[in-house]
Amino acid sequence: DADVTQTPRNRITKTGKRIMLECSQTKGHDRMYWYRQDPGLGLRLIYYSFDVKDINKGEISDGYSVSRQAQAKFSLSLESAIPNQTALYFCATSISGYGYTFGSGTRLTVV
Amino acid sequence: GQQLNQSPQSMFIQEGEDVSMNCTSSSIFNTWLWYKQDPGEGPVLLIALYKAGELTSNGRLTAQFGITRKDSFLNISASIPSDVGIYFCAGPYGGSQGNLIFGKGTKLSVKP
Repeated sequence: DADVTQTPRNRITKTGKRIMLECSQTKGHDRMYWYRQDPGLGLRLIYYSFDVKDINKGEISDGYSVSRQAQAKFSLSLESAIPNQTALYFCATSISGYGYTFGSGTRLTVV
Repeated sequence: GQQLNQSPQSMFIQEGEDVSMNCTSSSIFNTWLWYKQDPGEGPVLLIALYKAGELTSNGRLTAQFGITRKDSFLNISASIPSDVGIYFCAGPYGGSQGNLIFGKGTKLSVKP
């Protein structure tokens, strides 16, 4: 099994729908992150959490929310999906510093 | 806000050629990292640099932490087809410990 597992791998949803992307890890890392990747724009930080009781906004948090259900689980929600949230979403973990372990990504399409 | 500018945006090279790419920052960094993203996968850490002037190698890859602390360079020698992917530079975001800001990436294509 992968160290960082993201589900679903692909999702198509309609505008206005609520959707949750899930991330679980077996690394035992305290820190978890959600990034968004758009072609030509690199990876941009949405939210991050340094432990279960710690949630922080990143560079582009508007329109998103997160929940850290346990050390190993960090989910990202789009309360009312819109087409410009179509992107590739990555979850990552780290123990400290910058040695991130990324999941394989969730490709989300909002129609 | 903070920005990382990577160049070139894309490269098309012949197998066996050497590759050079760079990344510049609008602010001073105390850490530089280089990640590679294979098609359909998440990025994987290649090299981490922690000191101005540092030169670090990982196989055919060599990265340097610029003296000004505002830039970094990645070189790949004798490219092979599996070098294909997107290479990202990254550095600390917003001064906080543990968060990264990424460049927009350099997409590398290798012709056999």
